Amino acid sequence: NAGVTQTPKFRVLKTGQSMTLLCAQDMNHEYMYWYRQDPGMGLRLIHYSVGEGTTAKGEVPDGYNVSRLKKQNFLLGLESAAPSQTSVYFCASSFTPGVNYGYTFGSGTRLTVV
Amino acid sequence: AQTVTQSQPEMSVQEAETVTLSCTYDTSESDYYLFWYKQPPSRQMILVIRQEAYKQQNATENRFSVNFQKAAKSFSLKISDSQLGDAAMYFCAYTEATGANSKLTFGKGITLSVRP
Repeated sequence: NAGVTQTPKFRVLKTGQSMTLLCAQDMNHEYMYWYRQDPGMGLRLIHYSVGEGTTAKGEVPDGYNVSRLKKQNFLLGLESAAPSQTSVYFCASSFTPGVNYGYTFGSGTRLTVV
Repeated sequence: AQTVTQSQPEMSVQEAETVTLSCTYDTSESDYYLFWYKQPPSRQMILVIRQEAYKQQNATENRFSVNFQKAAKSFSLKISDSQLGDAAMYFCAYTEATGANSKLTFGKGITLSVRP
């Protein structure tokens, strides 16, 4: 029972490089989310998806793109990394709202852009 | 837009004592969910407790309980008999939980330290 798996766990990028963060869930959740966590800022929503093939912008979407081609996977892309994107990134997933509604989080990816 | 406010950045409690972490939120909705998450140094986000807005009874989970004041839009977390393992960052979070509005909105968090 893996839950939500994020890869990689750590990464160092040079400014201008690109990369993709992968989030995979095995719980058949409809909804998936990408957050970033910065000191003193809490977790802020980057993009989210309410189902396979759908994506929507969150609070801080600039500089990121996402795709959800398969229900179990949600990819976060950085096309041209900037130092301001140094952060810890969390993926989460959830069922549609109902009894025992809740979210499952991955263990996070620490990204440093130099 | 919904907002969640945690005004205390840090708190400290003596082991075995009780501590209350404050959270307020702003919404025009009548049906929603509120959560407290714990984040230890391992970075993992751990659900502490959940409250459904339509339930008047305050949620409890062992040593953790909430004081949910819907009219005041307040959702505080009480930790009883504090333990060293309770030291962590705690986040309050809100969601409307209705289809496209299922996203979680977090407060900025509070760092709780436990003195032995």
